[in-house]
Amino acid sequence: EEQVWESGGDLVQPGGSLRLSCAASGFTFSAYAMTWVRQAPGKGLEWVSSIIDNGARTYHADRVKGRFSISRDNSRNTVSLQMNRLRADDTAVYYCARVQNGRQPGDPPSWEPYWFFNLWGRGALVTVSS
Amino acid sequence: EVVMTQSPATLSVSPGERVTLSCRASQSVRSHLAWYQQRPGQAPGLLIHGASTRAAGIPARFSGSGSGTEFTLTISSLQSEDFVVYYCQQYDDRPHTFGGGTKVEIK
Repeated sequence: EEQVWESGGDLVQPGGSLRLSCAASGFTFSAYAMTWVRQAPGKGLEWVSSIIDNGARTYHADRVKGRFSISRDNSRNTVSLQMNRLRADDTAVYYCARVQNGRQPGDPPSWEPYWFFNLWGRGALVTVSS
Repeated sequence: EVVMTQSPATLSVSPGERVTLSCRASQSVRSHLAWYQQRPGQAPGLLIHGASTRAAGIPARFSGSGSGTEFTLTISSLQSEDFVVYYCQQYDDRPHTFGGGTKVEIK
């Protein structure tokens, strides 16, 4: 069964740091781009960060650029989100999600998937408060 | 960035009725539009991608249409488990933005 699941959510003070991890199983992790999407309490979904299958390219929303960093370890089937200089408005459930279509043999180095997501974790709650 | 606007914010309908949800993009996103369903306390689940292609395992009562800037999600006959929140997302241009959501509630 294909699964992803998050860990590392916590209560942290404004200005602090936190690292979220997402583990994967049941599929060839190294072939799939991954993303983090967050949802503030009672609010809608907001894309945060994405990373392609081999980690060569990463993308971040303007609101988190320079503070958050996404990375992956394909040997451990994990993707991480390092969050620094946290603010109250970063409070949210953070979801790890996988794109539907992975890289296929013969795809060029510049290949990227269509960035919609068919596999989601249950989320990790990050609360930024003093 | 592409702004996705969903309307209405809330829809009150009766079980068995047909319902149409709207999603509008501030600029063309071609057919690069996905719909998600989110139940309370759960992660979103993919319903539709490519504006009109149902995801694996999604019942035929869900259908999507549109291209460019105007999109719709239609549920042909609402079942009890369909009274939840629906989001659209464009993946044509970064950042890959979501709409604000439409909550479908029981009338």
